[in-house]
Amino acid sequence: AQSVAQPEDQVNVAEGNPLTVKCTYSVSGNPYLFWYVQYPNRGLQFLLKYITGDNLVKGSYGFEAEFNKSQTSFHLKKPSALVSDSALYFCAVRTGGKLIFGQGTELSVKP
Amino acid sequence: DGGITQSPKYLFRKEGQNVTLSCEQNLNHDAMYWYRQDPGQGLRLIYYSQIVNDFQKGDIAEGYSVSREKKESFPLTVTSAQKNPTAFYLCASSMGGTIGEKLFFGSGTQLSVL
Repeated sequence: AQSVAQPEDQVNVAEGNPLTVKCTYSVSGNPYLFWYVQYPNRGLQFLLKYITGDNLVKGSYGFEAEFNKSQTSFHLKKPSALVSDSALYFCAVRTGGKLIFGQGTELSVKP
Repeated sequence: DGGITQSPKYLFRKEGQNVTLSCEQNLNHDAMYWYRQDPGQGLRLIYYSQIVNDFQKGDIAEGYSVSREKKESFPLTVTSAQKNPTAFYLCASSMGGTIGEKLFFGSGTQLSVL
């Protein structure tokens, strides 16, 4: 079965430091992977996606993600974190006509 | 201003009561989805519809019902059979038909039991 896992419930980073939010996936066939961000009491906003091509995908707000087929991972990264990046981040995989989401990772960026 | 509108923002349900959550989109999207969000569990798919007058069960459809009579509307009814309805409900839509398309989300409805 297609699935996606986010091994960390929470990630804490100091402002200005690089951040990584981890995601691993299990799919049969080619993976179609997404990252979304959710601010408190709001819906999800699309950040970026990997369909095919370059393993490094660039998205909104300076975020990027690296697709690693051998490690079945799709980690979200940003070179320099901002306090305003604090939010809940979801990794997702496309299967059939629907998206399956990971359990989410709470990112906290402190000044 | 295009987007997805969910209403109400907050909803309270009494024991044995059915309640309906509204989701409307003016993006001309074919596909629409309902997710339930519980703390620490991420989003779980309740129902989805890829075209008008057709819908499929997701992973946790029991205790819920939907209809898709119009392209722009996909209401979700939480029935009395859903014993643990307290959650944040998110509606989403997408163009439909391509594997790489993204979902657009509404702002959600928080449902609580009185």
